[in-house]
Amino acid sequence: QSVLTQPPSVSAAPGQKVTISCSGSSSNIESYYVSWYQQLPGTAPKLLIYDNNNRPSGIPDRFSGSRSGTSATLGITGLQTGDEADYYCGTWDSSLSAFVFGTGTKVTVL
Amino acid sequence: EVQLVESGGGLIQPGGSLRLSCAASGFTVRSHYMSWVRQAPGKGLEWVSVIYSGGTTYYADSVKGRFTISRDIFKNTLYIQMNSLRADDTAVYYCARGADSSSPSFDSWGQGILVTVSS
Repeated sequence: QSVLTQPPSVSAAPGQKVTISCSGSSSNIESYYVSWYQQLPGTAPKLLIYDNNNRPSGIPDRFSGSRSGTSATLGITGLQTGDEADYYCGTWDSSLSAFVFGTGTKVTVL
Repeated sequence: EVQLVESGGGLIQPGGSLRLSCAASGFTVRSHYMSWVRQAPGKGLEWVSVIYSGGTTYYADSVKGRFTISRDIFKNTLYIQMNSLRADDTAVYYCARGADSSSPSFDSWGQGILVTVSS
């Protein structure tokens, strides 16, 4: 059972925007930086966002992150078919002394 | 270029042991915290264990007492020794590099190695 909750799926048409929520608690999201990962089918996860809202080099600015209180959000604008993937949030949890990942969200481009 | 290559996976009977390796290149495993993350078939990501630069280790409750993470700085390799394996340990295991000592994120991942626990 993950301590970070995400919606199972979100969808939108090409060119549109989607947002993915990640709900946690004071022992994780509220206290530690949040990261986001994209996992394309059959591949390893890839870091999209770190420290709540920073993008590694090579990640387009269509991807953005934010955090407020015990929740974090990933936004994807200008949706492309290549964005179809599973997305996970992650952070440290001080109560568990463990890294935790969200339940994962499947993005579908209609 | 940073690269992580896992090896050592395969089919193992319940109760058996297996050691996974993750050979790193392009950086030193001692300079970053390193983790193992697994993904059961059709399921989400599950963090397994971490070893920090100073040697401190942590484990997920699901593997505590059964798995041991370690590293060999001379071989620049990360390991995880898995004992008393159970069917629910069946997963693709990824090694991942911590992005920065102050950032709980993983900026490089291996390709993953499948471990199947079955009789």
